[in-house]
Amino acid sequence: DAGITQSPRHKVTETGTPVTLRCHQTENHRYMYWYRQDPGHGLRLIHYSYGVKDTDKGEVSDGYSVSRSKTEDFLLTLESATSSQTSVYFCAIRPSSGSTYEQYFGPGTRLTVT
Amino acid sequence: EDKVVQSPLSLVVHEGDTVTLNCSYEVTNFRSLLWYKQEKKAPTFLFMLTSSGIEKKSGRLSSILDKKELFSILNITATQTGDSAIYLCAVRDGSSNTGKLIFGQGTTLQVKP
Repeated sequence: DAGITQSPRHKVTETGTPVTLRCHQTENHRYMYWYRQDPGHGLRLIHYSYGVKDTDKGEVSDGYSVSRSKTEDFLLTLESATSSQTSVYFCAIRPSSGSTYEQYFGPGTRLTVT
Repeated sequence: EDKVVQSPLSLVVHEGDTVTLNCSYEVTNFRSLLWYKQEKKAPTFLFMLTSSGIEKKSGRLSSILDKKELFSILNITATQTGDSAIYLCAVRDGSSNTGKLIFGQGTTLQVKP
């Protein structure tokens, strides 16, 4: 257990509404990542963070923004949700200790945009 | 464009069978290859491979990397119904220190009793 929680775990929202997903970690890891998972696509990186206020785009960042004002929280915002953003969203951390690069995932948020 | 491709995309076997899952990659700045298992929840880490020809083993699961031919295989022997899952392969992109992973599409394995 990498001490990662995500909230909400499930959400249904309407097209055009803003949505914020939260990822919270308790072990002070520097690197955090947001992915989306869709059938046939595996996991695709949306945004990542390498420290407080340090974030960068992944391969599918259009329509998403992120913020990291505290080490423990990484927020993903859909400014105006669209049906194409219906997906399962996973947050991940990379342990700061040692030289390993594996990532550990949170439980996921299932988002449905109607 | 960097990519990771897994095959087959899905597989149905019976308990006791041995399966081999494949992962090929084209990643400019390859650093390591990782395997994950995903049941009805978050992916869980299985192995990380960085060197060619060195087998990683955990119980009935084993994996090996071939950096010359740019692929890895994940073997599962004596399969059990609990092995039913999506198996994800990912490659770490070494173009920065951020540890970005590029994932394949996944192989869905179903093990029937």
